[in-house]
Amino acid sequence: EAGVTQFPSHSVIEKGQTVTLRCDPISGHDNLYWYRRVMGKEIKFLLHFVKESKQDESGMPNNRFLAERTGGTYSTLKVQPAELEDSGVYFCASSQDFSGANVLTFGAGSRLTVL
Amino acid sequence: AQKITQTQPGMFVQEKEAVTLDCTYDTSDPSYGLFWYKQPSSGEMIFLIYQGSYDQQNATEGRYSLNFQKARKSANLVISASQLGDSAMYFCAMKGFSGGYNKLIFGAGTRLAVHP
Repeated sequence: EAGVTQFPSHSVIEKGQTVTLRCDPISGHDNLYWYRRVMGKEIKFLLHFVKESKQDESGMPNNRFLAERTGGTYSTLKVQPAELEDSGVYFCASSQDFSGANVLTFGAGSRLTVL
Repeated sequence: AQKITQTQPGMFVQEKEAVTLDCTYDTSDPSYGLFWYKQPSSGEMIFLIYQGSYDQQNATEGRYSLNFQKARKSANLVISASQLGDSAMYFCAMKGFSGGYNKLIFGAGTRLAVHP
């Protein structure tokens, strides 16, 4: 089965511009997560979708970040306007359920560089 | 608050030898899970092994084993018979099962280099 796919793999933009990252989860996985790793620090949770609904968005840093998952399939994460501190690697993960020991399958990440 | 600490930013090991990657955690949840992920240079995060807080035995998956010491709040990853392909970044993570939490909390990672 295909894994979690993220696009683009790397994006370089200038401060103030907009970037949209896309994640295609494993088919049939209702749960989709976004995580971010900034400047070699810990990977931090951003938000969690169950189908098209936001289950938990407590990790979203501010209102410049907008995540959507229309139709409960793929998801997009838009950063507008981008700031220097937004640079990092954005990971998407999916899982079949979110109970207990469910394992998240991660994508390869989208590296964002804001100049 | 939940926290994962990986004190080894970098480790190296000789091929075919065993290596232990340290992970300590802090949580007030009575029930939780501990995970290890591997991130090779390709970038993808690969799940390696899982340990539940109430599991009686330490988890093992092939050459990977988890040395779980609940009283010490440690969940060290042991890789036996290291291979060159084990060179990667390794992340320890945990998830509490109470309070509706579903987010993984990650450590800063340990970069492992396997030398021939």
